[in-house]
Parts: sequence; C-alpha cells; structure tokens
Amino acid sequence: EADIYQTPRYLVIGTGKKITLECSQTMGHDKMYWYQQDPGMELHLIHYSYGVNSTEKGDLSSESTVSRIRTEHFPLTLESARPSHTSQYLCASSEYSLTGWITDTQYFGPGTRLTVL
Amino acid sequence: GIQVEQSPPDLILQEGANSTLRCNFSDSVNNLQWFHQNPWGQLINLFYIPSGTKQNGRLSATTVATERYSLLYISSSQTTDSGVYFCALDDMRFGAGTRLTVKP
Repeated sequence: EADIYQTPRYLVIGTGKKITLECSQTMGHDKMYWYQQDPGMELHLIHYSYGVNSTEKGDLSSESTVSRIRTEHFPLTLESARPSHTSQYLCASSEYSLTGWITDTQYFGPGTRLTVL
Repeated sequence: GIQVEQSPPDLILQEGANSTLRCNFSDSVNNLQWFHQNPWGQLINLFYIPSGTKQNGRLSATTVATERYSLLYISSSQTTDSGVYFCALDDMRFGAGTRLTVKP
C-alpha cells in the first residue's frame, strides 16, 4: 500500500488568500508531482521534482510555486487564490532513474479538494 | 508533446461482461501506465507496461509500442470496476480517460 499523504483533504477559502497544500511520502521516492484535476477530467501536470532542491514546471505552473527541501515533503503554494483555482489537487511520487522519467509505478495521494469563493 | 487518445470515452456494461479500453499515442514512449480512479477520486496504478503483456487477476494489459497503442482488458466486470481509467505516458501526460459504469 502506498504511503503518500495530503493535507488538508478539503479546503474552502476566499479569493486572494495565500494557501499551501501539503504532500508527504514515506517511501523514499526521489520524484514527486503535483496535478490539477477537475471532476472526471484528465490530469494536468502543475509541477514536479527529481529530488531535493529540484523543481520543474509543468503545463499549469504559472500561478503556483513548489519547494523540495526534504525528500519526503513537496508542498504546493498558491500566492493568491482565485475561483478558477477551484479543483482537485493530486500529489504523486515515484522512483526515478537517470535513464528515464519513470522506472517504477507512480503512487497517488488521496487529493485535496479546493474551493475558492 | 506526445498526444494521447483514449477510447471509448464512456462505457456502460452489465456485471459479468468483458471490455477492452484503448490508449493511442502519437510518438514512441519509454513508459506507459494504466490507472483506475475510483468514484471517491483515489487513483490506483494498475499496470506499468511500456511494452508486452501483463496480467493481474481479471485485468490484463498489452502495449504494442511499435504500433503506438495499449489495451486494457477487463474480464467478468464487477460493480467495483466502475470509475475512470487513464493511461499516462513518460512525460506524465494523461489521456482524457474512459469512464466505465458497471451495472448490477
């Protein structure tokens, strides 16, 4: 069973607030990811990281930032939340090899459902 | 980037029926995964299958990398198989998914 956790599970906030979504994994995986997903729709990659002090932008990165100070922790920050940010945010992790992006299965957390009023 | 197309977009089955889900991609890939997202939103990895065939119980998957497609087979479907099935490629690009509903 995958050990990847996200908090909070649900969040309702007002427009303009700064928020941080937490993600932690205990599997020692080097690579971690953040995705945004509207209900029943495809996942869009926001940010990813190869390991400590590594962060890369995905398709939807322009309005958020991430940090990777510890292997197990990969928080996502929205500096100024807007109603368009209302969505589900999924964190994932996988092992990483220099030979490719993914060498093993990818594990997902339970998600954070964000509502911005 | 690589384009991913999944078909069919929606599928409704009676319990006990078999089904085949398809994932087409536009370029060669090093990695391909199949996921199931249950009605509560949890994503579970089903197969890591860049090529070849794998089986796990009632589910099996085949990737023909030279033809740029992968198939997910579900046999003797159960209501718990309901949800959305995604394929994802090595740049972590997900398809739009196939929404499966299994009726009792």
